[in-house]
Amino acid sequence: DIQMTQSPSTLSASVGDRVTITCRASQSLNSWLAWYQQKPGKAPKLLIYKASSLVSGVPSRFSGSGSGTEFTLTISCLQPDDFATYYCQQYNSYSSYTFGQGTKLEIK
Amino acid sequence: EVQLVESGGDLVQPGGSLRLSCAASGFTFSDYWMTWVRQAPGKGLEWVANIKQDGSEKYYVDSVRGRFTISRDNAKNSLYLQMNSLRAEDTAVYYCTRGDSSGCPQYWGQGTPVTVSS
Repeated sequence: DIQMTQSPSTLSASVGDRVTITCRASQSLNSWLAWYQQKPGKAPKLLIYKASSLVSGVPSRFSGSGSGTEFTLTISCLQPDDFATYYCQQYNSYSSYTFGQGTKLEIK
Repeated sequence: EVQLVESGGDLVQPGGSLRLSCAASGFTFSDYWMTWVRQAPGKGLEWVANIKQDGSEKYYVDSVRGRFTISRDNAKNSLYLQMNSLRAEDTAVYYCTRGDSSGCPQYWGQGTPVTVSS
């Protein structure tokens, strides 16, 4: 099974900052990598699919990049609504999906 | 509008069984892979199981294989998760999700809580 290593586990930042979260896969995903945002008590919300495709309605300050085994989620110019927990997820094969451990983005 | 509504979560004793349901609407249910994802209290997300459009392929995370069964009824636009031999570590909120054309869980229900405790 593919293992996902997400870092950092916690990130402290201020409104207006640019932040980057990284996910590394134990084997190549091609580009079958998604990013989710989750707020307390709510279901996850899909932000990015296929590594870099932005879901309709998601602000353009969110962007994804990478291929193969290394991927990043970048949030430029953090807004108050962006403080949440973020997860990467690989869906390279229907036989097994894996999520990263999560990154809690906190207000500095 | 795509809607996924889970139900069936409850408090159950270790070793017990529970059946979760997910009612889907707003799309052609039989066109999509469906997925169950769970989240233990204070923990991250964990993929549980996938099922193909016609139910002919089913896949499970190792920790539930042999105990859980994913199924679907396309005539009723419903997804199910039969959970047997439940353990304390199965305590979680269980989410029903619909994949996009590539299987990426695109839409999520609100989740149903399962607590396994004596």
